[in-house]
Amino acid sequence: NAGVTQTPKFQVLKTGQSMTLQCAQDMNHEYMSWYRQDPGMGLRLIHYSVGAGITDQGEVPNGYNVSRSTTEDFPLRLLSAAPSQTSVYFCATGGQGTLNTEAFFGQGTRLTVV
Amino acid sequence: GNSVTQMEGPVTLSEEAFLTINCTYTATGYPSLFWYVQYPGEGLQLLLKATKADDKGSNKGFEATYRKETTSFHLEKGSVQVSDSAVYFCALSVINQGGKLIFGQGTELSVKP
Repeated sequence: NAGVTQTPKFQVLKTGQSMTLQCAQDMNHEYMSWYRQDPGMGLRLIHYSVGAGITDQGEVPNGYNVSRSTTEDFPLRLLSAAPSQTSVYFCATGGQGTLNTEAFFGQGTRLTVV
Repeated sequence: GNSVTQMEGPVTLSEEAFLTINCTYTATGYPSLFWYVQYPGEGLQLLLKATKADDKGSNKGFEATYRKETTSFHLEKGSVQVSDSAVYFCALSVINQGGKLIFGQGTELSVKP
């Protein structure tokens, strides 16, 4: 049972490049989300989705794009990478407040923008 | 708005010492409260939760009580082990606000033998 799988685990980009961080889940959860983790700031919500075809912005959405065409996948796109986007990115599923359920996290993608 | 404040780390303890990590929150509505733990190189995993006032969450020797009057959810453990070394995050989510998790900044715990 894979749970939540993120790829790649590590990535180095040059300023201005674009890329997609992949997130796939096999838990059949409707709710998926992306967070970034920065030292001293905890995790901040970038975008989230309550089901296929539905996405919404979180606290820090600028510079990122998402789509949700299937229940299983929720890719995060960096349109034009900037050094300020150097961070560790986590995808999570579940955690839907109406059910007070647990959120399940992937192992993270460490992104460095030079 | 909703927010979570944790005590700053790092916290360094000797094995078998008592642990408290303070967490206070501000929320509109009725939050559920969580503690997540992140071991080195891994993602976060749920440690314990409480969904209403006076509930006590517990797991692996850790406990936290939902105190509405003091808006707190402090994490405690009576006797820490080296294997408890990790970063601990307090978080909340509010029903009817999309279920989004709001995290504190995290507290790093280091336990020495």
